[in-house]
Amino acid sequence: DTGVSQDPRHKITKRGQNVTFRCDPISEHNRLYWYRQTLGQGPEFLTYFQNEAQLEKSRLLSDRFSAERPKGSFSTLEIQRTEQGDSAMYLCASSLSPKSPEQYFGPGTRLTVT
Amino acid sequence: RKEVEQDPGPFNVPEGATVAFNCTYSNSASQSFFWYRQDCRKEPKLLMSVYSSGNEDGRFTAQLNRASQYISLLIRDSKLSDSATYLCVVNMANAGGTSYGKLTFGQGTILTVHP
Repeated sequence: DTGVSQDPRHKITKRGQNVTFRCDPISEHNRLYWYRQTLGQGPEFLTYFQNEAQLEKSRLLSDRFSAERPKGSFSTLEIQRTEQGDSAMYLCASSLSPKSPEQYFGPGTRLTVT
Repeated sequence: RKEVEQDPGPFNVPEGATVAFNCTYSNSASQSFFWYRQDCRKEPKLLMSVYSSGNEDGRFTAQLNRASQYISLLIRDSKLSDSATYLCVVNMANAGGTSYGKLTFGQGTILTVHP
């Protein structure tokens, strides 16, 4: 399978715990994006990378959220001190280049904070 | 005002019907436009890009009106398998055509095709 992959697919955690998600983009795609989606809404942009550089962060990305893409390949999204409001689907997407706006999504990580 | 607005529906149509979805966007700097399809509890999948001249892919036709900041999707001869949420999506770019990266999604329009 050469699509975007995400791990884990589901995560249940207790409030206050830290969680980390991983995303592997399509090979040779140099842009990688993170979005969050709640029920009944479209995905909302969180942040994106071009190679290893983080180029933009949404205001939705509070200080408890951090994302990295250390070698310009896979990326991690960490949420510290999780809150119930963090429960959502976290989607990762990748695109080939800055001139190619089409983004291809992974299956997502569904986070439930109890 | 939301950056991308769609009628959330739901639209319930019989097999074989023609159905149209509309979408408006607020930022005139938007340069690229898409329709994504999302099945229940799955990721969004790119259905088609939308070009200024309008474009067609089989039973699907997309139109863009930049002056009115309006995008549409027409589905002809609906199939049961077309049942999904359809997301209207825009992307901005600079004058050189380099994408700003983030996609802005509408809320999505729910379509149910019944026998």
